[in-house]
Amino acid sequence: EAGVTQSPTHLIKTRGQQATLRCSPISGHTSVYWYQQALGLGLQFLLWYDEGEERNRGNFPPRFSGRQFPNYSSELNVNALELEDSALYLCASSLATSGSPDTQYFGPGTRLTVL
Amino acid sequence: AQSVTQPDIHITVSEGASLELRCNYSYGATPYLFWYVQSPGQGLQLLLKYFSGDTLVQGIKGFEAEFKRSQSSFNLRKPSVHWSDAAEYFCAANDYKLSFGAGTTVTVRA
Repeated sequence: EAGVTQSPTHLIKTRGQQATLRCSPISGHTSVYWYQQALGLGLQFLLWYDEGEERNRGNFPPRFSGRQFPNYSSELNVNALELEDSALYLCASSLATSGSPDTQYFGPGTRLTVL
Repeated sequence: AQSVTQPDIHITVSEGASLELRCNYSYGATPYLFWYVQSPGQGLQLLLKYFSGDTLVQGIKGFEAEFKRSQSSFNLRKPSVHWSDAAEYFCAANDYKLSFGAGTTVTVRA
């Protein structure tokens, strides 16, 4: 069974540009989560999508946004990129619905570098 | 506030020696608890999880963890470390979104 996949592997942008990161969950999983792992800041929760709806977001500015498609894949968009957005962005998926939490399985990540 | 704490930033262990990584959580009720491992530049791999029941949980790669409610702890152990265990280890708690500890980097010396 295929795991969580993310694309691209690496992404290089300049300040002010927009970045789009993509994630495909494990087949059958309906929830997708995004996390940011920046140097010195650890792993921080960004967004949670379930059944096409945004269920929760972390303490990030509105220029971090995303969506979930009918096939449960997801996009993370980062607008007006800043240098401090450079990080590894991890996507995870789970079977969880709003009923209860469940195990999250992670993809390999997208390394975003902002110059 | 809900939090997960890993007191040890870095641990060095000899190959073949035992390993224990500490994790403490602060939640109103017992959350779901997880240990993940991350090799450099890679994603997170699930080692094991605790939801309820038996407080000693077995995971992959020979790892186990013990849940102690009285100490709010969920420590990870491995009896005999291999060089391939060198990585960063994260403890996490889940009440829908995962809250991670800061991570413990494990170095294995020959």
